[in-house]
Amino acid sequence: DTGVSQDPRHKITKRGQNVTFRCDPISEHNRLYWYRQTLGQGPEFLTYFQNEAQLEKSRLLSDRFSAERPKGSFSTLEIQRTEQGDSAMYLCASSLSSAEDLNTEAFFGQGTRLTVV
Amino acid sequence: GQQVMQIPQYQHVQEGEDFTTYCNSSTTLSNIQWYKQRPGGHPVFLIQLVKSGEVKKQKRLTFQFGEAKKNSSLHITATQTTDVGTYFCDPGTYKYIFGTGTRLKVLA
Repeated sequence: DTGVSQDPRHKITKRGQNVTFRCDPISEHNRLYWYRQTLGQGPEFLTYFQNEAQLEKSRLLSDRFSAERPKGSFSTLEIQRTEQGDSAMYLCASSLSSAEDLNTEAFFGQGTRLTVV
Repeated sequence: GQQVMQIPQYQHVQEGEDFTTYCNSSTTLSNIQWYKQRPGGHPVFLIQLVKSGEVKKQKRLTFQFGEAKKNSSLHITATQTTDVGTYFCDPGTYKYIFGTGTRLKVLA
């Protein structure tokens, strides 16, 4: 399967614990995105990488959230000291920037569903 | 940042009826993308519109981009239960902005 893969698919954690999610984008894609989605809402942008550089972080992303893409391939999203409000689906997407800088289609992974109890 | 308003938020139709969702921007867009998310699934790209007045068809789905490139629509002819899901438009920026979308339910 050459799509975007995310691991784990589900995570249940106790409040206060740290969690880390992994995203493997489509191999030739240089752009990688993280989103958070809660029930009945559209995906909310969290952060974006072009290759290994993190170019933008949403103001929604508190200091407890950190994302990395160390070699410009896979990415990790870590949430420290989880809170119940962090419960959501965390989606990763990747895309390939075009020569004209026109955005191309985003390919989404199936997401990691986080439940904080 | 660039945002779009999508209407309606919800639509229930009888199977076989048509459905349309609209996406409106206050500013001119360079392009617009449409995505579909099935219940429990992830967003899947449907189409990208770039040119003013562009119309593209995918089987029963017709996508339009306004002449002023400020609005777009997705029309589904003769809905089927497989059309159920939430349809999102993205205003063609580098970071894929999704609003609340239009949630479509099709009653058999």
